[in-house]
Amino acid sequence: GENVEQHPSTLSVQEGDSAVIKCTYSDSASNYFPWYKQELGKRPQLIIDIRSNVGEKKDQRIAVTLNKTAKHFSLHITETQPEDSAVYFCAASSSASKIIFGSGTRLSIRP
Amino acid sequence: DTGVSQDPRHKITKRGQNVTFRCDPISEHNRLYWYRQTLGQGPEFLTYFQNEAQLEKSRLLSDRFSAERPKGSFSTLEIQRTEQGDSAMYLCASSLAHDGYNEKLFFGSGTQLSVL
Repeated sequence: GENVEQHPSTLSVQEGDSAVIKCTYSDSASNYFPWYKQELGKRPQLIIDIRSNVGEKKDQRIAVTLNKTAKHFSLHITETQPEDSAVYFCAASSSASKIIFGSGTRLSIRP
Repeated sequence: DTGVSQDPRHKITKRGQNVTFRCDPISEHNRLYWYRQTLGQGPEFLTYFQNEAQLEKSRLLSDRFSAERPKGSFSTLEIQRTEQGDSAMYLCASSLAHDGYNEKLFFGSGTQLSVL
């Protein structure tokens, strides 16, 4: 079955710097890769997703890249701001299957 | 509020008791997921439905857990003979899958279960 590994588990960056979170997946049939942000005490919310037919997707300060050959994908946040502090989860799934989440990365933005 | 709603928000029970949680998804969504989350961990998949059909259940899930979505709308998750290790946040999420492709999940606020 699908397994998603995420690292680092914690990440601290200076405000204004970039943050990168990396995930690997095991099921070569996976074709959907979302990223969720969870603030303390709140529900996870989708911030960006990518499908296997593209290699990169960008939305303002957030971008995701996908390497299907290596079975890994990454989240890039540029010009980080205090409100970016949260736990970020990657996930992967194939079309008619469950969505499996990584273990999360706690991102802290230092002022 | 037309988002995903879960009831109750908190449940405290004694070990050995049965508990049932309810999830009301966004009305037009055809997929409904149950996840379990403990502090500092990612959501752990439990089971999911496409309309009223339960398509997949985690192999790690004990037989004490059962879920239903009888009319393809709301869902219930029952845990029988609760154990302390069942203490966690139980999250429900729904989505509108097109042509079998997974789409954005909308999560509820969760039910926090504490087993004493």
